[in-house]
Amino acid sequence: QQQVKQSPQSLIVQKGGISIINCAYENTAFDYFPWYQQFPGKGPALLIAIRPDVSEKKEGRFTISFNKSAKQFSLHIMDSQPGDSATYFCAAHAGGKLIFGQGTELSVKP
Amino acid sequence: DTAVSQTPKYLVTQMGNDKSIKCEQNLGHDTMYWYKQDSKKFLKIMFSYNNKELIINETVPNRFSPKSPDKAHLNLHINSLELGDSAVYFCASSQISFGYTFGSGTRLTVV
Repeated sequence: QQQVKQSPQSLIVQKGGISIINCAYENTAFDYFPWYQQFPGKGPALLIAIRPDVSEKKEGRFTISFNKSAKQFSLHIMDSQPGDSATYFCAAHAGGKLIFGQGTELSVKP
Repeated sequence: DTAVSQTPKYLVTQMGNDKSIKCEQNLGHDTMYWYKQDSKKFLKIMFSYNNKELIINETVPNRFSPKSPDKAHLNLHINSLELGDSAVYFCASSQISFGYTFGSGTRLTVV
């Protein structure tokens, strides 16, 4: 019940395309859903986050869509750029800790 | 002006040795964490401390002992290192449990 399931495991997108990463959860106690971006040799960095009372949040090219009834949320990266190539993690917060998805390795081809 | 800094960045050691990783944050956050990232990049919480008090101990072998001398520092000591301890260890901090800031990680290799 504490799991967050993330898909796909890897994603290849052409420059200018839309990257979509999906996550699903079971625990209704989760109260905060962030997305993290990690480059090789670096720590995860907070990208964008949403609370369950909001259905969508947009920051620049990054949008979170949240479906509370389906217990699913997704990250959309518009106009994907080669510099967006990284590993992306969804996460969910409950009980004072973040539970992470398995990660998605995104590669944006020029 | 690193927000969460960890040392060392790399650690190569033999099985059976004892080693420590240090973490410091200058964000004024009350809560600090240790996360382990395995070879498949999966991130799992190990411990959290709030203002020097242990809050979460996520079924980690007791060879791992965190210590928080003050709310800006959280160290991780590992006794009797095993091959399976090889991973990247991340320190993080947060205020009110949201918006975690991670350090750049310590890659531990046990040979």
